Amino acid sequence: SAVISQKPSRDICQRGTSLTIQCQVDSQVTMMFWYRQQPGQSLTLIATANQGSEATYESGFVIDKFPISRPNLTFSTLTVSNMSPEDSSIYLCSVHLSDRAYEQYFGPGTRLTVT
Amino acid sequence: GDSVTQMEGPVTLSEEACLTINCTYTATGYPSLFWYVQYPGEGLQLLLKATKADDKGSNKGFEATYRKETTSFHLEKGSVQVSDSAVYFCALSDKGGSEKLVFGKGMKLTVNP
Repeated sequence: SAVISQKPSRDICQRGTSLTIQCQVDSQVTMMFWYRQQPGQSLTLIATANQGSEATYESGFVIDKFPISRPNLTFSTLTVSNMSPEDSSIYLCSVHLSDRAYEQYFGPGTRLTVT
Repeated sequence: GDSVTQMEGPVTLSEEACLTINCTYTATGYPSLFWYVQYPGEGLQLLLKATKADDKGSNKGFEATYRKETTSFHLEKGSVQVSDSAVYFCALSDKGGSEKLVFGKGMKLTVNP
């Protein structure tokens, strides 16, 4: 399995500001994913982040709002830009391990509240 | 596109009751199917999986069988415990889990002693 940590675990931010969420994995992984879980809702994929290439965004999510960095095989960041209350969610990163086919492992999540 | 439909709940059961959480899917290919669980205050964990038709995934007393003919992957447990209280998500991946997961809306289960 993989041990995934996220920072911060939670934050309360003001409207119009930006927050960068970090995701650290204890092993090298090719594919990392960022999901959003809105209050009382399911998880929705924001983007797929592969090292050495631009992130691939899902429909409804754009790079200007959710820029992602993937500088190496163990680390990624997601920035939530120009926040509004609608961005209040839990943001989770996940990874796929090449030697554990069909399994994704999730970080503990970052609980964001925008006031 | 691909989608997952599952029972939403919330559901409250007494300890030792039987549990079934229905899950059906729509996919263009032959997806892998998963049940994830989110215990209170914890992250999302893989509970069980099935990668092809008729496969049965099992873990912690839970079972689910990949039924291609009914496009279903219902989660079952014969006797629930208080410690099973959690939110359960059905999910699929269209490329063996290496690509994105599509989740159902999740179902909150509370088991009372």
